[in-house]
Amino acid sequence: GQSLEQPSEVTAVEGAIVQINCTYQTSGFYGLSWYQQHDGGAPTFLSYNALDGLEETGRFSSFLSRSDSYGYLLLQELQMKDSASYFCAVSDSNYQLIWGAGTKLIIKP
Amino acid sequence: DSGVTQTPKHLITATGQRVTLRCSPRSGDLSVYWYQQSLDQGLQFLIQYYNGEERAKGNILERFSAQQFPDLHSELNLSSLELGDSALYFCASSVGTEGNQPQHFGDGTRLSIL
Repeated sequence: GQSLEQPSEVTAVEGAIVQINCTYQTSGFYGLSWYQQHDGGAPTFLSYNALDGLEETGRFSSFLSRSDSYGYLLLQELQMKDSASYFCAVSDSNYQLIWGAGTKLIIKP
Repeated sequence: DSGVTQTPKHLITATGQRVTLRCSPRSGDLSVYWYQQSLDQGLQFLIQYYNGEERAKGNILERFSAQQFPDLHSELNLSSLELGDSALYFCASSVGTEGNQPQHFGDGTRLSIL
């Protein structure tokens, strides 16, 4: 079967750094995406990794290791507005997105 | 603003009824996706259309159906509604069909079944 595993909840302190992990088992792999969703809001695209390594976009970075079937989203200099759910999603052999269950990020002042 | 428009924003109806949710994709996007999100749950992929044709099917119930029209807008029809169908329904669009292309989500339709 196809599955993505990510922690259900992560807590961090404002100004700190937090890492949200995602491991996957899918039939084929073309890339790993990350989306952010605030409570009651729509998911928004954050990043996409097709190759191994770290991609940086401002305070957010995303990492992929294809050999380990593993990726993570790194958020630096956390702000209260970063409190949201974060979803990883894998593009499988049919180029379809398989979604993780999401990680709720709680930020404390 | 993602450019994806969903109507209505809220819908309240009773069990056994039928409703239609509407989605207009971002200008230039040919793919439309429908998702269901129950309270505090992840996104459940329902169905994808590309340029009017069904492209992929997820865990969509037989009571649910969808279509994409020549002007690329899409409708999701939910019939014989049950209490468990209460959820937030999202539409998303992308340029093509590949999973590496960002999906742009509408604000969703919140469906409440009484």
